[in-house]
Amino acid sequence: AQSVAQPEDQVNVAEGNPLTVKCTYSVSGNPYLFWYVQYPNRGLQFLLKYITGDNLVKGSYGFEAEFNKSQTSFHLKKPSALVSDSALYFCAVRDFSGDKLTFGTGTRLAVRP
Amino acid sequence: DGGITQSPKYLFRKEGQNVTLSCEQNLNHDAMYWYRQDPGQGLRLIYYSHIVNDFQKGDIAEGYSVSREKKESFPLTVTSAQKNPTAFYLCASSLGRAGETQYFGPGTRLLVL
Repeated sequence: AQSVAQPEDQVNVAEGNPLTVKCTYSVSGNPYLFWYVQYPNRGLQFLLKYITGDNLVKGSYGFEAEFNKSQTSFHLKKPSALVSDSALYFCAVRDFSGDKLTFGTGTRLAVRP
Repeated sequence: DGGITQSPKYLFRKEGQNVTLSCEQNLNHDAMYWYRQDPGQGLRLIYYSHIVNDFQKGDIAEGYSVSREKKESFPLTVTSAQKNPTAFYLCASSLGRAGETQYFGPGTRLLVL
C-alpha cells in the first residue's frame, strides 16, 4: 500500500526567508508525486508534480520541489516566503499502476510579516 | 470558462435524510473523483470513475453512492447510513490515470442539523 507522511503539522517562517515543507513517501515501483495548496474554505490548487526526469521540479508561484529517491522524499521549497503563501499544503503520491492518489495529512504554513 | 463546479457551497442535512452533492466539469476529463476532508486527516477517497457508467469504491465508500451517466457529471449522494457526514467534500477530475494531474472543485461543506 502506498502512503505519504508530512511530519510537521505547522511550519512557521518569516517573510523573505526560505521555506521548506517536508514530505516522505512509500510506494511500490516508481512514484508520481504531487504538491497542492489549499486556502481556507477552497478547493486544492495544483502546484507541481514529479513524474520522471530532473529531480528538481519547478512549479507555480515560485515553488519548487526536490525528488530524492534514496531518501524517498519530495520536499517543497521556496527561496523567499511571502505572507500570501500562508495556507495548507498537501503532498500526494500515486504508484505507476495505481488508480488512486494518496494524500498526506497536510502542513499548515504560516508566514509572519 | 473551463473548470470544475460544485454545488451547493453549503448543505444542511437532517437526520435520516439523503442529500446529493453536485459535481460538473467541462474540461473533457475522463476520470472523476470524490474526496472527504476532515481536520487533521487530509483527503480520503470516497469513489472514483474512469469512464462513463463505471465507478469504483475508494477507501471510505460506506454510506455514500455515486452515478456516472454523463462524462461531465459525477454526483455524490450521502445516505442516511453515513452516521458522521459532517465534512468538506471535494470533487476532482483528471484527463486519465497515473501521472495525470487531478484538478479540484471549490468544495461543498455538509453540516448536520
